[in-house]
Amino acid sequence: DGGITQSPKYLFRKEGQNVTLSCEQNLNHDAMYWYRQDPGQGLRLIYYSQIVNDFQKGDIAEGYSVSREKKESFPLTVTSAQKNPTAFYLCASARGREQYFGPGTRLTVT
Amino acid sequence: GQNIDQPTEMTATEGAIVQINCTYQTSGFNGLFWYQQHAGEAPTFLSYNVLDGLEEKGRFSSFLSRSKGYSYLLLKELQMKDSASYLCAVRRNNAGNMLTFGGGTRLMVKP
Repeated sequence: DGGITQSPKYLFRKEGQNVTLSCEQNLNHDAMYWYRQDPGQGLRLIYYSQIVNDFQKGDIAEGYSVSREKKESFPLTVTSAQKNPTAFYLCASARGREQYFGPGTRLTVT
Repeated sequence: GQNIDQPTEMTATEGAIVQINCTYQTSGFNGLFWYQQHAGEAPTFLSYNVLDGLEEKGRFSSFLSRSKGYSYLLLKELQMKDSASYLCAVRRNNAGNMLTFGGGTRLMVKP
């Protein structure tokens, strides 16, 4: 089946550690996105990539980094520089107008 | 800058009709999306409007007025499973066709 996978579903880390969230898609989509969602709020764009080996900062990129070495994969690293990393992280991909979302990773940093 | 407003919460009765409004101020408007999101899950696509008017899809309809910066999502014959958050998102053609989301409207359907 075609789709977007994110792993793990739940992730726990200690403060000061970097952590990488996985996002893989087999939809052959060119564009991929990372969003952050805080409780009771909408989605905010962290980074996006429209093509392999290229990515752009979104509205809240500070404390995050990404890579896009393969079309299928767009991993997000939450660094220790991110002041409030605990959140629900959603990855999406698109070809054309509609974005398709993965199931999300809930990150808790203590 | 971008600004998208929608009510935080709404309550409606099973079988009734509810209208969720969204107003926006954004540069480079290139379409408006509505997504449904159940708690702890990913958003799922409901509708897309790029021209003025009403788009109907089963129990759900979405309306857009570009001159007024206004959209609404209309849900008919409400069911308990419609209890979810509804996210309004604007697509910008001057920013790689990125989506900017509103804060979401949490709809509670009561028996």
